[in-house]
Amino acid sequence: DAMVIQNPRYQVTQFGKPVTLSCSQTLNHNVMYWYQQKSSQAPKLLFHYYDKDFNNEADTPDNFQSRRPNTSFCFLDIRSPGLGDAAMYLCATSRALGQSEKLFFGSGTQLSVL
Amino acid sequence: QQQVKQSPQSLIVQKGGISIINCAYENTAFDYFPWYQQFPGKGPALLIAIRPDVSEKKEGRFTISFNKSAKQFSLHIMDSQPGDSATYFCAASNTGNQFYFGTGTSLTVIP
Repeated sequence: DAMVIQNPRYQVTQFGKPVTLSCSQTLNHNVMYWYQQKSSQAPKLLFHYYDKDFNNEADTPDNFQSRRPNTSFCFLDIRSPGLGDAAMYLCATSRALGQSEKLFFGSGTQLSVL
Repeated sequence: QQQVKQSPQSLIVQKGGISIINCAYENTAFDYFPWYQQFPGKGPALLIAIRPDVSEKKEGRFTISFNKSAKQFSLHIMDSQPGDSATYFCAASNTGNQFYFGTGTSLTVIP
């Protein structure tokens, strides 16, 4: 009964070749997030959508973009992946915005850049 | 700058023992402190959370202890079981809805 689904689990791309990671949710939550998690580091928020409103974190590189065509789906686009972009990318949702909202995470996509 | 510092990075505990994971923060604006549990191949899942108006919260074998003056909080797992083996993340958030995660603790409970 996966509620936040990320595809694919593993993604290999070449240096500079655009790549798209996908996330879908069956929870009908208003908020969707993308986190980047590098090995032995904390998950780092890249951006989030509240409904259709996009909120980019100040330190998220321009190389990272996102799309949310509808409530259920959200995509992470990396326009020109560098070696430093190799990481686990976690999608999460929450019912609403608020500091005590429970985050529901997907299983992540492990991105490798060759 | 790491907003939430977590230790230890890894922990090995005997079955039946107590697992203790510690976190510290600097930003006094944080007012919600969740712990997430992550099994291999799965995304993190909320385990337990606390607000700074209480010093302790217990749910089953899991307890959060919170020390507001020291800006520290910890997760205690009583009677640790092999099924508790996972990575644990502490986090902190404020009214800006930004969650800051610790670097994680890999817990192994040996039978």
